[in-house]
Formats: sequence, structure tokens, C-alpha cells
Amino acid sequence: GQQVMQIPQYQHVQEGEDFTTYCNSSTTLSNIQWYKQRPGGHPVFLIQLVKSGEVKKQKRLTFQFGEAKKNSSLHITATQTTDVGTYFCAGGNTGTASKLTFGTGTRLQVTL
Amino acid sequence: DSGVTQTPKHLITATGQRVTLRCSPRSGDLSVYWYQQSLDQGLQFLIQYYNGEERAKGNILERFSAQQFPDLHSELNLSSLELGDSALYFCASSVALGGRNSGANVLTFGAGSRLTVL
Repeated sequence: GQQVMQIPQYQHVQEGEDFTTYCNSSTTLSNIQWYKQRPGGHPVFLIQLVKSGEVKKQKRLTFQFGEAKKNSSLHITATQTTDVGTYFCAGGNTGTASKLTFGTGTRLQVTL
Repeated sequence: DSGVTQTPKHLITATGQRVTLRCSPRSGDLSVYWYQQSLDQGLQFLIQYYNGEERAKGNILERFSAQQFPDLHSELNLSSLELGDSALYFCASSVALGGRNSGANVLTFGAGSRLTVL
């Protein structure tokens, strides 16, 4: 079945440093979504990318969808302590079912 | 408040027992998803319902079952519980407009039900 891997599993940065998490799918995706889960919380939708090579920005966050639609990345510029949490990508496929396959997640820790 | 309501928030039970987790989707959402998240693990997809009909199945154990009712709320039944079933169970909902091939939809998650099996 489809697998979605994320690297790194965990990253610890100092506030102000940049952070990037990478998402790789074993199959071509129709779209990719990103979610953030704060410690003790539930996943919250951040963004959806649909087009090959698409780049979207949300303030300090930059999301990219690969040309082959098999990989994606999330880059955070100048991290803040509020960025702490686990970031999940989720790949979508068209077909007989519309379920998302979540990536393994990257846990980000930010210290002062 | 995300609009997706899950009950109970916490549940402690013994091995061999059976529990039911309940989910009310966000108003207007027709599709409900169940995910399992073990400690510090990812989100394992269990099952999806759309307007009362099972739509997709993931790695859901035979001991687990779910259904979506006419009022669109959903229940996840976990039976013959084992220690390894201890986890956070999330329900999520989406609008899921379109037909069977409409593709993935944006999910709104509930706060989760934390199950501890002793």
C-alpha cells in the first residue's frame, strides 16, 4: 500500500533558526495536505497543495509540492516557540476512496 | 473548539472489555474518519464513512467496528481490548463534496478520546 515518510523524525532548534521537514510518498499523489499537532492537542489543518511544483506561503511557513507530485516540504523561517509541535503531511489519492495517508510526522522542539 | 465533538475524553478499562467511542462531526460535514495514534506515533487510518456508508478501510482490526448513523454521528466499537489498544483515538470530519472519486478532503479533527487499557 501507499507509504508516506517524513524526515527528520525529530528536530531541536534554537529560536530564530530555520527548520525544514520533508515528506516523500511511494506513489504519485493528487494533492498533499499539512497538519500541525501541538503537544497534547489534535491535528489542525495548515494548507493543501494540488498542482505540480506549487509553492504556498503562510507568513514564516513555506510549503512546496514536488514536480513529480511524490514529495513535499515545509520550511519555517526564524522559528518561534509557538512553532513547537508535530508536523504531519498527508497525501491524497483520487480513486475509489478519498482517504488521506498521513506521514510519519516530524516533531519540532524550539528552545530560547 | 473545532466543531467535531468526541466523547468520552478519557476512558480507562480492563483487558477483554468492550468500549464505544462517539463522534459528532462538524455541522454540514458528511464524512467521518477514525484515526488511532499510539504514544508518540503517527496517525493510523482506521475507517471512513460518508453519509452513512463505509467508504474506505485502513488497518482496522477485526475486533474493532464502526458505523455512521442517519444523524451523521459515528461510533467506534472496540472489543476484546488488549493492552496494545491503549491509544488516542481521533475522529475527523470533512465536507466530502462530490462523488466517490472526488479525492481527499480537508479534515477537521476532534480533541480525541484517550483510551487506557489496564
